[in-house]
Amino acid sequence: DADVTQTPRNRITKTGKRIMLECSQTKGHDRMYWYRQDPGLGLRLIYYSFDVKDINKGEISDGYSVSRQAQAKFSLSLESAIPNQTALYFCATSGQTRDEQFFGPGTRLTVL
Amino acid sequence: QKEVEQDPGPLSVPEGAIVSLNCTYSNSAFQYFMWYRQYSRKGPELLMYTYSSGNKEDGRFTAQVDKSSKYISLFIRDSQPSDSATYLCAMSPYNDYKLSFGAGTTVTVRA
Repeated sequence: DADVTQTPRNRITKTGKRIMLECSQTKGHDRMYWYRQDPGLGLRLIYYSFDVKDINKGEISDGYSVSRQAQAKFSLSLESAIPNQTALYFCATSGQTRDEQFFGPGTRLTVL
Repeated sequence: QKEVEQDPGPLSVPEGAIVSLNCTYSNSAFQYFMWYRQYSRKGPELLMYTYSSGNKEDGRFTAQVDKSSKYISLFIRDSQPSDSATYLCAMSPYNDYKLSFGAGTTVTVRA
């Protein structure tokens, strides 16, 4: 089984809809991250969490919110989706000892 | 100006060629340097991890870091079609735990 899983893998939605992307991990890591990936822009950090009670904004948090339900679960919400939020979304985790991050398989989100 | 610059390519080489990839950066606080490989429709996976300046070799892959020039490189020797992927550089300051990524370079190795 994959260490970092994301659901759904693909989602098409309409402008104005609320969307939740979910991430679960079995690596036992405290640190979790949400990124979006756009062509030519690489991976940009949306939110990150270093433990259940610690939530921090990344470089592009506007229009997004997150919830850390447990050590193993970190969800990303788009309260009112807009077309420029169409992108690949990745969840990642990292442990205590170094900065290496482990990525999930991604969610391809399309907002019409 | 982006904190990490990486030529997006694309780069196409024949099988067996040496692939050379590089990134430049502006933040002198970066201490940890990584290369990730991302296959189509997959998440990035760590390929190489280096700390501070110097070289690191792992099989056909060599990572180089030149902190004085703020420049890192990845070399792939004897490239194979299975090396066709997007390669992303990433880096972070000491004890920061957040990574700054390059845009990624798409590489195709032709059989």
